[in-house]
Amino acid sequence: KAGVTQTPRYLIKTRGQQVTLSCSPISGHRSVSWYQQTPGQGLQFLFEYFSETQRNKGNFPGRFSGRQFSNSRSEMNVSTLELGDSALYLCASSFGPNYGYTFGSGTRLTVV
Amino acid sequence: GIQVEQSPPDLILQEGANSTLRCNFSDSVNNLQWFHQNPWGQLINLFYIPSGTKQNGRLSATTVATERYSLLYISSSQTTDSGVYFCAVLTQGGSEKLVFGKGTKLTVNP
Repeated sequence: KAGVTQTPRYLIKTRGQQVTLSCSPISGHRSVSWYQQTPGQGLQFLFEYFSETQRNKGNFPGRFSGRQFSNSRSEMNVSTLELGDSALYLCASSFGPNYGYTFGSGTRLTVV
Repeated sequence: GIQVEQSPPDLILQEGANSTLRCNFSDSVNNLQWFHQNPWGQLINLFYIPSGTKQNGRLSATTVATERYSLLYISSSQTTDSGVYFCAVLTQGGSEKLVFGKGTKLTVNP
């Protein structure tokens, strides 16, 4: 079956712009979560959605937002980009907490 | 919040050697997974193992939940095993977010 699909794979943006990243989960998975990976901070939780509702949010500024659609696809948006937002953004999907999480290939965002 | 510590942070092996990676966590967990991050950044799920022992080819994992640790064993290592190995846990009764350790960077030389 198809895995978790993230688009785009690579992105270069200018400071101050905004960006939208997309994640399509494995068919049947209703939980979608997002993580940011940087060399300094490691892997950090951004937010988690289940059935179009944000259930949990990590410790990130309000410039980071997301949503989930009725087909479980999710998008995350970062407004007013800063140099420090350069990172690998990973999306994961799951049936729920008692099941494993499967990650996509990630979107590598570079802010210049 | 829960703390996840992995050791060693770096490991260099010759091809064919065996290794053990350790993950300690500070609280009870519902879910524990081991991942291998490939050079392109993707996290490949190795094991979902909140407790007990599992094996998959040359890899096996054991989680002793009561003592709050998990071990990942790699036998007869190959150069393709190189990369970073992460342990991640999901806390009980709390938010459904994976908390990751800092990883073990494994380098297998030919």
